[in-house]
Amino acid sequence: TQLLEQSPQFLSIQEGENLTVYCNSSSVFSSLQWYRQEPGEGPVLLVTVVTGGEVKKLKRLTFQFGDARKDSSLHITAAQTGDTGLYLCAGRSFGNEKLTFGTGTRLTIIP
Amino acid sequence: GAGVSQSPRYKVAKRGQDVALRCDPISGHVSLFWYQQALGQGPEFLTYFQNEAQLDKSGLPSDRFFAERPEGSVSTLKIQRTQQEDSAVYLCASSLAGYNEQFFGPGTRLTVL
Repeated sequence: TQLLEQSPQFLSIQEGENLTVYCNSSSVFSSLQWYRQEPGEGPVLLVTVVTGGEVKKLKRLTFQFGDARKDSSLHITAAQTGDTGLYLCAGRSFGNEKLTFGTGTRLTIIP
Repeated sequence: GAGVSQSPRYKVAKRGQDVALRCDPISGHVSLFWYQQALGQGPEFLTYFQNEAQLDKSGLPSDRFFAERPEGSVSTLKIQRTQQEDSAVYLCASSLAGYNEQFFGPGTRLTVL
């Protein structure tokens, strides 16, 4: 059972467009992470957000952690074909080392 | 390479066979995690080691699943009497300590026929 729901599940857009992926839960997390996974590889960490309301920017990617620490979003500006992949959010509960992953968003950027 | 390695990368088993999946973590990493990733889904936690101690095995789906890390380095995930529903990618991750960044291996894709 996955406690983190991501939307949309699939997203296919043209190169140059903007997009937002959402990660929602009814549970509170001490931190939330975003990963990108390529076929045949393990997930690779993009960012960790730890403070409610926190916003982090990495070049064209903007990550936000909800005020209540239950949800997060990933916004990509001017998408590029290299952004194609499976995007996963993952939460860590207080006092718990394991990660609870979201259901995933498969992003395809069309040239 | 200094990353997490897993072997075999692909495993095909007949229903009822036993399999063993190996994980070599990054040298010096204290914590080791196993996750199961079904096709098209996000990974799901199986079990967690701190050195050789298995601190959390709450995600193991049945008593057919067994994991060990006897010397606090290499870990093996064993699945006995495999079933078709065990078909998935099994990911291993290691970290310096439990709350640090987890580095993932490429996974072992298990197919049970």
